Amino acid sequence: EVQLLESGGGLVQPGGSLRLSCAGSGFTFSSYAMNWVRQAPGKGLEWVSTISDSGDPTYYADSVKGRFAISRDNSKNTLYLQMNSLRAEDTAVYYCAKDRYNDYAADSWGQGTLVTVSS
Amino acid sequence: QSALTQPASVSGSPGQSITISCTGTSSDVGTYNYVSWYQQHPGKAPKLIIYDVSNRPSGVSNRFSGSKSGNTASLTISGLQAEDEADYYCNSYTSSSTRVFGTGTRVTVL
Repeated sequence: EVQLLESGGGLVQPGGSLRLSCAGSGFTFSSYAMNWVRQAPGKGLEWVSTISDSGDPTYYADSVKGRFAISRDNSKNTLYLQMNSLRAEDTAVYYCAKDRYNDYAADSWGQGTLVTVSS
Repeated sequence: QSALTQPASVSGSPGQSITISCTGTSSDVGTYNYVSWYQQHPGKAPKLIIYDVSNRPSGVSNRFSGSKSGNTASLTISGLQAEDEADYYCNSYTSSSTRVFGTGTRVTVL
């Protein structure tokens, strides 16, 4: 069974940094592209970033480009999201999601981790 | 990267069929057959119900079906059931190699 477990969320001040992690199990982690998707309180889903199976290339939403960095350690079956220069509008539940093989649809999702940016 | 346009809400009675539209542009929905649909119940993670416009993952009810015409994709739920009450989001691959979600549709079973 595929499992994705996010961690690293919490309360951070505006301008601060946070690193999210997502541990994958139950599948060959190194064979799948991975994503981060976020959802602000009471709002819809927003795609944040995608990383290929090998770690390069990477893609970002305009709203986070230059501030967030996605990466992965295939030896540890773990996906990361380094978030810098955080703003109040980055407050959201952040989900990691695994793509279908060679496709552009996320077929497995974690339970999400809440990031709150506030002073 | 503007969000795809979905109706805010759609409702129907048990047993009826409803259709949710998802309108994009020639840079996303209109060019690529990489439209997916997700169901999200309150407080839960999204669940993939349609991929590549019209394909259902294993285990997803055949009451869910997808289609596309031009820049608009559609999700149809047939034989509406109480458990279908949830939020639904479309998603498309784009010409920038990014992804974009729809604005979301709340489905209410009357």
